[in-house]
Amino acid sequence: GENVEQHPSTLSVQEGDSAVIKCTYSDSASNYFPWYKQELGKRPQLIIDIRSNVGEKKDQRIAVTLNKTAKHFSLHITETQPEDSAVYFCAASKLGPDKLIFGTGTRLQVFP
Amino acid sequence: DVKVTQSSRYLVKRTGEKVFLECVQDMDHENMFWYRQDPGLGLRLIYFSYDVKMKEKGDIPEGYSVSREKKERFSLILESASTNQTSMYLCASSAPGMVETQYFGPGTRLLVL
Repeated sequence: GENVEQHPSTLSVQEGDSAVIKCTYSDSASNYFPWYKQELGKRPQLIIDIRSNVGEKKDQRIAVTLNKTAKHFSLHITETQPEDSAVYFCAASKLGPDKLIFGTGTRLQVFP
Repeated sequence: DVKVTQSSRYLVKRTGEKVFLECVQDMDHENMFWYRQDPGLGLRLIYFSYDVKMKEKGDIPEGYSVSREKKERFSLILESASTNQTSMYLCASSAPGMVETQYFGPGTRLLVL
């Protein structure tokens, strides 16, 4: 079955710096890769996703890149702000009626 | 706006008790999921359901069962609670036929003494 590894487990950055979180997956048939953000005490929420037919997707200060050959994908946050502080989860699945396999999470702290 | 609710935010139970966690969604989603969240382990899938009365085991189903009698409601049952089931339990739902954009409930923090 699919296995998703996520690094680093914690990440501290200064406000305004960039943050990068990386995930690798094992099942080459996976073709859908979402990222969820969970603020302290709140529920996880989808922030961006990418499908295997594209290599990069951007939404304002966040972007996700996908390397299918190497089976890894990354979340990039530019110009970080204190409200970016949260736990971020990557996930992988095959599109259609399938389950998401989540990574173990990255706790991002942005210091003012 | 999708709304997923869970019956309790906090729950304290004794070892051996039968525990029911309920999840309700109001968007006519066919897919519903139960996860547990533990520090350093991320979100692990316990059970999921693609339709009423249908259920499938996730990655860690041992010690749990589920019930889906109505489309909007998905219940997680701990048949005989144990201390290693102390955790945060999250329910999620997604649109018919697809696992994209799972909408999560607020979570139930369960403590088993």
